[in-house]
Amino acid sequence: EAGVAQSPRYKIIEKRQSVAFWCNPISGHATLYWYQQILGQGPKLLIQFQNNGVVDDSQLPKDRFSAERLKGVDSTLKIQPAKLEDSAVYLCASRTSTGSEQYFGPGTRLTVT
Amino acid sequence: AQTVTQSQPEMSVQEAETVTLSCTYDTSENNYYLFWYKQPPSRQMILVIRQEAYKQQNATENRFSVNFQKAAKSFSLKISDSQLGDTAMYFCAFMKGHGGSQGNLIFGKGTKLSVKP
Repeated sequence: EAGVAQSPRYKIIEKRQSVAFWCNPISGHATLYWYQQILGQGPKLLIQFQNNGVVDDSQLPKDRFSAERLKGVDSTLKIQPAKLEDSAVYLCASRTSTGSEQYFGPGTRLTVT
Repeated sequence: AQTVTQSQPEMSVQEAETVTLSCTYDTSENNYYLFWYKQPPSRQMILVIRQEAYKQQNATENRFSVNFQKAAKSFSLKISDSQLGDTAMYFCAFMKGHGGSQGNLIFGKGTKLSVKP
């Protein structure tokens, strides 16, 4: 069974530029999460999807971050414009509708200079 | 709001010995899960062990076991016969809900474990 795929693995941009991350969850997983992990901290939820609907985006900085999951499968997270404090690892995770285990992708390390 | 606290930023253990990582949490929920995740330098978050709050029996997975004290809101991880491959960041995490109503994971700040030869 293929795991959660993310791309790119690494991205370096200058502040005020835009960037997009892509996630392909495990086939059949209806629930998808994006987490932000700042160096030295635990991951923090940005947004949770159930199929193509948003369940929780209360911690998403909506003035600069956006996310979509149009067909209930792949998801894209965008930052525009990026700030220095957005430097972090962005993790995508998925699970089945009734399962408790979240399966994580390898993450994208973003560096904003 | 739920919080997860890991009070040990770093720990080390000799190979083949036993180590215990501490975690406390705060919640008013009745239905929830607790997890320990391992994150090696490759960044891949890997589930180590899971505990359902309604189960009194402590979860075990091979060399990994937990001490779940629901009243004290404590959830420690014991690693027996430590191996060099256990070197990683370990995160304690909480998720509210049960069945189809689960939420997101709330993580502690992590404990960096080093296993020394």
